[in-house]
Amino acid sequence: GENVEQHPSTLSVQEGDSAVIKCTYSDSASNYFPWYKQELGKRPQLIIDIRSNVGEKKDQRIAVTLNKTAKHFSLHITETQPEDSAVYFCAALSGTYKYIFGTGTRLKVLA
Amino acid sequence: NAGVTQTPKFQVLKTGQSMTLQCAQDMNHEYMSWYRQDPGMGLRLIHYSVGAGITDQGEVPNGYNVSRSTTEDFPLRLLSAAPSQTSVYFCATRRRGVRGDLNEKLFFGSGTQLSVL
Repeated sequence: GENVEQHPSTLSVQEGDSAVIKCTYSDSASNYFPWYKQELGKRPQLIIDIRSNVGEKKDQRIAVTLNKTAKHFSLHITETQPEDSAVYFCAALSGTYKYIFGTGTRLKVLA
Repeated sequence: NAGVTQTPKFQVLKTGQSMTLQCAQDMNHEYMSWYRQDPGMGLRLIHYSVGAGITDQGEVPNGYNVSRSTTEDFPLRLLSAAPSQTSVYFCATRRRGVRGDLNEKLFFGSGTQLSVL
């Protein structure tokens, strides 16, 4: 079946450094790729998304890139801050109704 | 608007007990779904519904039943709870766009933490 692989599972960076999280999807028909941030004990919150007809999207310190040929997409966070510490999930929309989520990356920003 | 409301927030069951997790939304979203979240496994789709009277299975439907009699409510039933169903459960909805297509954005409830002993 369809799957999404996410790496790394944990990531520690110094405050002010950049963080990159990578995902690979298997369903070549996937056309929408969101990223969610989940703080401890909270619900997942959408932070950025990208559609398959776009290669890159940026929103302040956060950017997402998509390589359709390689079926890779990545989340880039620049100038990291302690409040960026959370678990981040990538996902791919397979068909119209089913999201396939990655297994999550725990990001720790060290002050 | 309250958005997506899940009850209860916490529940402890014994093996073999039954219970229903409630999900209600006041946004008139046609699409509703249930996910379970386990450590190291991300979110996995259990069941979803694209409107009243219409439901379908996701990745991990075994052991769970759903029904959708109204637009607002989408309960998840565990008929005979098992320890493997210990998890955090999220309800999520999607709205239909102005052109009739289903918007991709998921709106999540606050979750139900279920422990089965």
